[in-house]
Amino acid sequence: AQRVTQPEKLLSVFKGAPVELKCNYSYSGSPELFWYVQYSRQRLQLLLRHISRESIKGFTADLNKGETSFHLKKPFAQEEDSAMYYCALVYNQGGKLIFGQGTELSVKP
Amino acid sequence: SQTIHQWPATLVQPVGSPLSLECTVEGTSNPNLYWYRQAAGRGLQLLFYSVGIGQISSEVPQNLSASRPQDRQFILSSKKLLLSDSGFYLCAWEITETQGPFFGSGTQLSVL
Repeated sequence: AQRVTQPEKLLSVFKGAPVELKCNYSYSGSPELFWYVQYSRQRLQLLLRHISRESIKGFTADLNKGETSFHLKKPFAQEEDSAMYYCALVYNQGGKLIFGQGTELSVKP
Repeated sequence: SQTIHQWPATLVQPVGSPLSLECTVEGTSNPNLYWYRQAAGRGLQLLFYSVGIGQISSEVPQNLSASRPQDRQFILSSKKLLLSDSGFYLCAWEITETQGPFFGSGTQLSVL
């Protein structure tokens, strides 16, 4: 069955420290994976998608099919990165996303 | 540019009352539309999706229904709300399959 797991509910780091938000997936097909972010009082928005291999706001994520992971990384965290982050997997077709439970990132000064 | 509107932002309803949440999309045509729910302490769950007017698919059995009376309008309804219907409801739209849906601002529903 399809599943997305984000093992950490809360991740707290200091400004300037590296950040890695973990995401593991379970899917028998070829996965399409996304990271969404929700800043305080704002709507859920797409951060990046693995298919475009882009870097947004300094964040990158590499799909590792061997480890079935799509961890989100940033070398130097900023306070404005504090938000809720969701990893998501598309299954079947279209935008039928399966979301992980989400990880709250708190970047302290 | 495309925008998505969802209302109301918050709603408190008694058990057994009806529900109607509305979502409209502007600036695009024939989008795929979605309703998601986030219950307390849980991830986002896909409830319904629609690829066109009058075409609704349900992902999970529940006390809710959805309708798409117009191309850019998606409505989530219930005849009688249950306590378990409480949660944060999100509408989303997309055009291309690999784009990833764009989300509305959500409705926080509390059933008391």
